[in-house]
Amino acid sequence: KNQVEQSPQSLIILEGKNCTLQCNYTVSPFSNLRWYKQDTGRGPVSLTIMTFSENTKSNGRYTATLDADTKQSSLHITASQLSDSASYICVVSAYYKLSFGAGTTVTVRA
Amino acid sequence: GAVVSQHPSWVICKSGTSVKIECRSLDFQATTMFWYRQFPKQSLMLMATSNEGSKATYEQGVEKDKFLINHASLTLSTLTVTSAHPEDSSFYICSARDRRLAGKNYEQYFGPGTRLTVT
Repeated sequence: KNQVEQSPQSLIILEGKNCTLQCNYTVSPFSNLRWYKQDTGRGPVSLTIMTFSENTKSNGRYTATLDADTKQSSLHITASQLSDSASYICVVSAYYKLSFGAGTTVTVRA
Repeated sequence: GAVVSQHPSWVICKSGTSVKIECRSLDFQATTMFWYRQFPKQSLMLMATSNEGSKATYEQGVEKDKFLINHASLTLSTLTVTSAHPEDSSFYICSARDRRLAGKNYEQYFGPGTRLTVT
C-alpha cells in the first residue's frame, strides 16, 4: 500500500527561526515528490517538485531534499515569517496517482 | 499563469437539496481534472478523476450517483452533490493538469476550494 508519513504533526516556531519538516514514503513506483503549502481554507500551492535524480531543490526560503534510496524527504524553511504559518503537505507520485501525507501544521509566532 | 478557480467559495444548503461546484482552468486547457475532499485537520482524499469528454473514474467508496461529475470542456469540470446530507459537509478541492505538459512529472494546479455546509 502506498503511504506517505509526515512528521511532526505540528510545530510552533518563533519568527526568524528555521525549521525542518520530514516526509517518509513507501510509494512505488516512484515518479516524483512534491511539497505543497496549504493556507487555512485555501487550496494547496506547489512549492517544489523533485524527480528521482534530484536531491535538492529550492524555492526562495524553502529548500526540499530527497533521498530516493531511503525514501525520505525534508522541507527546510529558513528565516521563518508569519506568513509561513500553514499546513505543508508532502505528495508522492506513482505515475499519475498522487499519494498525500497528512501534513505538518506550522505556526510562526512573533 | 496556471490558475484554477472554483465557484462558489462557500455554500450552505439544506439537507436533501443538491449543490453544484464549478472548477475552471483559467489560462490553460486541462485534459484531466481531479476532485478531492478534505475534512478538518486531514489531508486531501481523491474522490474522482475526470477526463474531458468521458465518464469520471471514481475512487473506491465514493458513490458516483451521489457525486455527479461532468467535464464538458477542456476548461470546466463540475461536481454536483445530490441529496446532500450533513455528513457531506466538507472542503471540496479540484485540481487540473495542463494538457501541454506531457509525461509523469506534470504539474497539478489546485483550486482554492469550496466549503460546503449542509444543515
